[in-house]
Amino acid sequence: EDKVVQSPLSLVVHEGDTVTLNCSYEVTNFRSLLWYKQEKKAPTFLFMLTSSGIEKKSGRLSSILDKKELFSILNITATQTGDSAIYLCASEDSGTYKYIFGTGTRLKVLA
Amino acid sequence: DAGITQSPRHKVTETGTPVTLRCHQTENHRYMYWYRQDPGHGLRLIHYSYGVKDTDKGEVSDGYSVSRSKTEDFLLTLESATSSQTSVYFCAISESGRDEQYFGPGTRLTVT
Repeated sequence: EDKVVQSPLSLVVHEGDTVTLNCSYEVTNFRSLLWYKQEKKAPTFLFMLTSSGIEKKSGRLSSILDKKELFSILNITATQTGDSAIYLCASEDSGTYKYIFGTGTRLKVLA
Repeated sequence: DAGITQSPRHKVTETGTPVTLRCHQTENHRYMYWYRQDPGHGLRLIHYSYGVKDTDKGEVSDGYSVSRSKTEDFLLTLESATSSQTSVYFCAISESGRDEQYFGPGTRLTVT
């Protein structure tokens, strides 16, 4: 059965800290891995990764994929209270157009 | 923001009643999805559509049906609502089925 596992489940840090969120996957027909941020409402798209070792970056956020070890990480540097959210990762099954989501990591950044 | 709306945004209904949730998009995207989100489970796919009248099941499709008679609308029906279907329901769209999904604002459904 295909699955996506995120760790840790929750994390509390102070402003200015750097955090690393993990996502491992077992997907038969893997094509891509996506990261989303969910605050109080709908998830919003952060990154899509398809190739190993190529870092994607947006401001203080960055992400990378390891297709050999079947995982991805999302790094957030110099965290701010506005980074507090649930971070979701999802893997696309290329055979079905379905996306399999992990349960998310709940990040809380304290001022 | 992608043009996706969901209606209703909140609904309380009784066990055994039928319920229909609507997702409407103005982006002309081919792929549309219905998810439910529950604590400890993340987002789980209920059904998705890859074109008008073309739909397929997701991992938690029991008790749900869908219809897509035009590109912009994707309806999710609970034929006979149960308390286990109390959840937040999100609709999402994708242009190619191979790219990022854009999510609607969600519908909070409570079945009493």
